[in-house]
Amino acid sequence: NAGVTQTPKFQVLKTGQSMTLQCAQDMNHEYMSWYRQDPGMGLRLIHYSVGAGITDQGEVPNGYNVSRSTTEDFPLRLLSAAPSQTSVYFCASGLWGSEMREQYFGPGTRLTVT
Amino acid sequence: DAKTTQPTSMDCAEGRAANLPCNHSTISGNEYVYWYRQIHSQGPQYIIHGLKNNETNEMASLIITEDRKSSTLILPHATLRDTAVYYCIVRVAEVTSGSRLTFGEGTQLTVNP
Repeated sequence: NAGVTQTPKFQVLKTGQSMTLQCAQDMNHEYMSWYRQDPGMGLRLIHYSVGAGITDQGEVPNGYNVSRSTTEDFPLRLLSAAPSQTSVYFCASGLWGSEMREQYFGPGTRLTVT
Repeated sequence: DAKTTQPTSMDCAEGRAANLPCNHSTISGNEYVYWYRQIHSQGPQYIIHGLKNNETNEMASLIITEDRKSSTLILPHATLRDTAVYYCIVRVAEVTSGSRLTFGEGTQLTVNP
C-alpha cells in the first residue's frame, strides 16, 4: 500500500491564482481530511469528508473548496490564493467505524503564495 | 474536547526511556487520550491511544492515572530517530461529525547521543 499520497510536494503561487492540491489513499478509508500547519504552530482542520459525496467544514474553511467523488481521492481547491494561505497542507485518512482509531497523514504540500 | 497541557521541550539520552507527561484535568468520561508525533517536516504519525487502562504497542506505552487527569507516554529505548514533536490529544473516540484532532503545541523531544 502507498498509504496517503499528496501532490505536488512544493508549489509557489501568485496572489489570485487558483490551484488544486491532490490527495489519494489506497486503504479504503471512509474518512479523509485536510489540515494546514503554519510555522511553529499546530495543525488546523480545513475540511473533512466521511464518504464519497459527503463533505463538511472544519475550523478554517474560508478560501478552500473540497469535493469527494470517490473513496480514494479528496482534492483541496484554493479559489483565489492569498499570502495568508502560505502554509504546509496535510491530508489524512482514517477508518470511519464505531471508534476512531489512528489517522494516517500524507507527507504534505508546501505552498508559498507571493 | 478537553484541553491538554504538555511541557514545551524535553531532552533524553539515547537508549534511555523517554517519559512524556500530559495533563488533561478536564477530561470527560467518554474521551480518549491519543498520542501523535511529528518528525521535522513530515506528516504526523499515530503512536497510541487509550481510555483508562494502560496500553502498549510496538512503539510505546501509555500510562493513564486512575483519575484520568494525566497520562505519560513512554518510549522505552529512545533513539535519535525519536526526536520529534509529540502531541497529546484528548477527544471522544466515537466517530461523530468533525472527528477533528486538535493539535496543540506539543512537546519537542530531543534525543541526544
